Amino acid sequence: EAGVAQSPRYKIIEKRQSVAFWCNPISGHATLYWYQQILGQGPKLLIQFQNNGVVDDSQLPKDRFSAERLKGVDSTLKIQPAKLEDSAVYLCASSFGQGTNTEAFFGQGTRLTVV
Amino acid sequence: DAKTTQPNSMESNEEEPVHLPCNHSTISGTDYIHWYRQLPSQGPEYVIHGLTSNVNNRMASLAIAEDRKSSTLILHRATLRDAAVYYCILMRAGANSKLTFGKGITLSVRP
Repeated sequence: EAGVAQSPRYKIIEKRQSVAFWCNPISGHATLYWYQQILGQGPKLLIQFQNNGVVDDSQLPKDRFSAERLKGVDSTLKIQPAKLEDSAVYLCASSFGQGTNTEAFFGQGTRLTVV
Repeated sequence: DAKTTQPNSMESNEEEPVHLPCNHSTISGTDYIHWYRQLPSQGPEYVIHGLTSNVNNRMASLAIAEDRKSSTLILHRATLRDAAVYYCILMRAGANSKLTFGKGITLSVRP
């Protein structure tokens, strides 16, 4: 079974530039998550989708971050404009359901460096 | 959401059992206890989860206290590959159930 695919693996941009990350979840998984992980910290949930609807985006900085999940499958996360503090690993995860009795599968992440 | 408390770090010897503790004194009746781990430069991976009864799978065992205010993840024979950050997470049942990570516990395994 193929895992969660993310691209690119690494990205370096200057502050105030824009950047986009792409995620392809495991086939058939209805729930998709985007996390931000700053060095030395645990992952922080940015947004959670159920199919193509948003379940939770309470911690997404909406003035600069946006995310969409087209047709309930692939998803993109965009930052525009980027700030130095956005340097982090961005993790995508998916799960079959939304409930507490399911496990989430994570991609390897995209490491973003803002200079 | 109910919080979990874990020690910052723990050391173990290879091929010995490891007990990773987690306190969750404000756990509610509908909270599931999940454990994930994150190897260096990898995304987190699922380890195990449970509600009330102890659970076993091929990776680990989860021992849940009778009052559910604490739990212990047990690795029966630690290997060098088990060196990772282990996260104990409470996941509340409901439409908005989500996986909220804390700082986790860093496990080091000595050869």
